[in-house]
Amino acid sequence: NAGVTQTPKFRVLKTGQSMTLLCAQDMNHEYMYWYRQDPGMGLRLIHYSVGEGTTAKGEVPDGYNVSRLKKQNFLLGLESAAPSQTSVYFCASTTDRFRAEAFFGQGTRLTVV
Amino acid sequence: KQEVTQIPAALSVPEGENLVLNCSFTDSAIYNLQWFRQDPGKGLTSLLLIQSSQREQTSGRLNASLDKSSGRSTLYIAASQPGDSATYLCAVVVSNTGNQFYFGTGTSLTVIP
Repeated sequence: NAGVTQTPKFRVLKTGQSMTLLCAQDMNHEYMYWYRQDPGMGLRLIHYSVGEGTTAKGEVPDGYNVSRLKKQNFLLGLESAAPSQTSVYFCASTTDRFRAEAFFGQGTRLTVV
Repeated sequence: KQEVTQIPAALSVPEGENLVLNCSFTDSAIYNLQWFRQDPGKGLTSLLLIQSSQREQTSGRLNASLDKSSGRSTLYIAASQPGDSATYLCAVVVSNTGNQFYFGTGTSLTVIP
């Protein structure tokens, strides 16, 4: 059981480049989330999805877009990367946001130079 | 907005000691509280999930308590071991914004052999 898998694990981008982070879960979870983790600030929600074909903004959505075309996959896109987007990105999923535990991926460490 | 605070930010104890990690939150209208463990460079691993109607949860040497009315949770670790060294994060799901986990910034625990 793979759980939540993030691809890639590391990436270095130049300012202005674009990229897509992939999150895949094999637990048939409805709810999926993208967080970023920065020193001293904890984890902050970027975007989330409550089911296939749905997406919604979180706390810090600017500069990011997402898509959930398949239930098992949640993609996070950076259209024009900026140094402020240097961070560690985590994907999470859960079957029930009120009653069930959340499962996290291993993270993607992104550096924008 | 829900604010989650974890004190202390860092803790160092000798092996075998019992210890308590603290988590406080400002909005008591929560659905649940979850404790996570994060090892350096890794993702988050769920340790314990406490529903708002529960007072505590136990798993092995770990015991988490919840006092919703006072906005506090504690994670008790018995007979600490060097393998317990990690950062411990708490997160809450709030009733009126149930799609988001609000995270504390964590307590970095070092258990000295």
